[in-house]
Amino acid sequence: EDQVTQSPEALRLQEGESSSLNCSYTVSGLRGLFWYRQDPGKGPEFLFTLYSAGEEKEKERLKATLTKKESFLHITAPKPEDSATYLCAVQAARGSTLGRLYFGRGTQLTVWP
Amino acid sequence: GAGVSQSPSNKVTEKGKDVELRCDPISGHTALYWYRQSLGQGLEFLIYFQGNSAPDKSGLPSDRFSAERTGGSVSTLTIQRTQQEDSAVYLCASSNRYAGANVLTFGAGSRLTVL
Repeated sequence: EDQVTQSPEALRLQEGESSSLNCSYTVSGLRGLFWYRQDPGKGPEFLFTLYSAGEEKEKERLKATLTKKESFLHITAPKPEDSATYLCAVQAARGSTLGRLYFGRGTQLTVWP
Repeated sequence: GAGVSQSPSNKVTEKGKDVELRCDPISGHTALYWYRQSLGQGLEFLIYFQGNSAPDKSGLPSDRFSAERTGGSVSTLTIQRTQQEDSAVYLCASSNRYAGANVLTFGAGSRLTVL
C-alpha cells in the first residue's frame, strides 16, 4: 500500500535556526513527490515537485531533496513568516490509483523571533 | 477563474440533514479532486474526475457520499444524512494534467460542522 510518513509532527525553531523536515514514502513506482505549504484556514499551496532520486530544488530559504525512500525539506535561517504546516505527497506511476496523490499528516513548523 | 473557488466556506448543519459543497476549478483544468481534512489528520482522498467521469472514487467513505461534475467544470460533493464524523474541511483541487506528475491547485476549502 502506498504510504507517506512525515516527521517530526511539530517543530519549533528560533529565527535563524536551520533544520530539516523528513518525508518517508512507499509507493508503486514514483511518478512525483510534492511539497506543499498550508497556512491556517487556507488550502495547501504548491512548493516543489521532485521526480527522481538525487534531484534537488530550491526556493528562497527552502531546499527539497529526494532519495529512493525519503525526501527532506531543508529550511535555512528561517523567519517567522515561514511558520506553517508543510505537507508531503506522492503520486504513483503504476496501478489503479494512477492519478491520486497520497499525503502525509504534515509537519507544523513554528518559527519564533 | 484565477483560482479554485469553493462554496460555502463554512457550513453548520444538523445531524441527518443533506449538504452540498461546490467547487469551481481553474478554467481549462481537466482533472478535479476532492480531499477531506479532519483535525490533526492528513488529507484523505475522496474522489477525482477526469473530465466528467470519475476513474477513482474508491475514497468515498460510504454510500452517503456522492459527487458529480458537469460540463468538465463545476463539481458538487453531496453528503446525505450527515453524521458528526463527517465534520471536516473539504478541499477541492484541480490540475491540467492527469497521467503525468500532477501539480494540484487547491481551493480554500469548505468547513463542515455537523451538530
